[in-house]
Amino acid sequence: GEDVEQSLFLSVREGDSSVINCTYTDSSSTYLYWYKQEPGAGLQLLTYIFSNMDMKQDQRLTVLLNKKDKHLSLRIADTQTGDSAIYFCAGMNSGYSTLTFGKGTMLLVSP
Amino acid sequence: DVKVTQSSRYLVKRTGEKVFLECVQDMDHENMFWYRQDPGLGLRLIYFSYDVKMKEKGDIPEGYSVSREKKERFSLILESASTNQTSMYLCASITSGTSYVEQYFGPGTRLTVT
Repeated sequence: GEDVEQSLFLSVREGDSSVINCTYTDSSSTYLYWYKQEPGAGLQLLTYIFSNMDMKQDQRLTVLLNKKDKHLSLRIADTQTGDSAIYFCAGMNSGYSTLTFGKGTMLLVSP
Repeated sequence: DVKVTQSSRYLVKRTGEKVFLECVQDMDHENMFWYRQDPGLGLRLIYFSYDVKMKEKGDIPEGYSVSREKKERFSLILESASTNQTSMYLCASITSGTSYVEQYFGPGTRLTVT
């Protein structure tokens, strides 16, 4: 089945850009997602990219997809303290639309 | 507005008890999912259901069962709770057959088994 890997921790200063990286194994994933989880809360969908796209931009968020290397990244421009959270990448498996998640990257933004 | 609700935010149970976690969605979605979330392990799929009375095992079904008697409700059952089932449990739902697919998550139930 799908395997998704992420680095576990990232620390940046307020105003800097953050880049969270993810690698996956299943090239048949139709959609790839980024979710955000704030402390004590459920998962919030941040953005997604369809597998035939290379890039998607949504306000401060930029998703890059390198299908050849099976690498997905999320860039957050002008990172704010409110962006501190755990970020999960996930690939959607064909068939029943199950998601395989990475272990999550904890982003810590310091003032 | 899309809504997935879970019956409890926090639950404390004793080892050996039978535990029911309830999930309800109001979006008429066909597919529903139960995940558990543990620090350093991310989210892992326990069971999912693609229709009423239909269920499929996920990656870690051992020690769990599920029930889907109505389309809007998906229950996770711990037949005999154990301490290694202490975790955050997240329910999700999705509609099938659309060009864009998104899973909607409930707020989670933090279960502690003592």
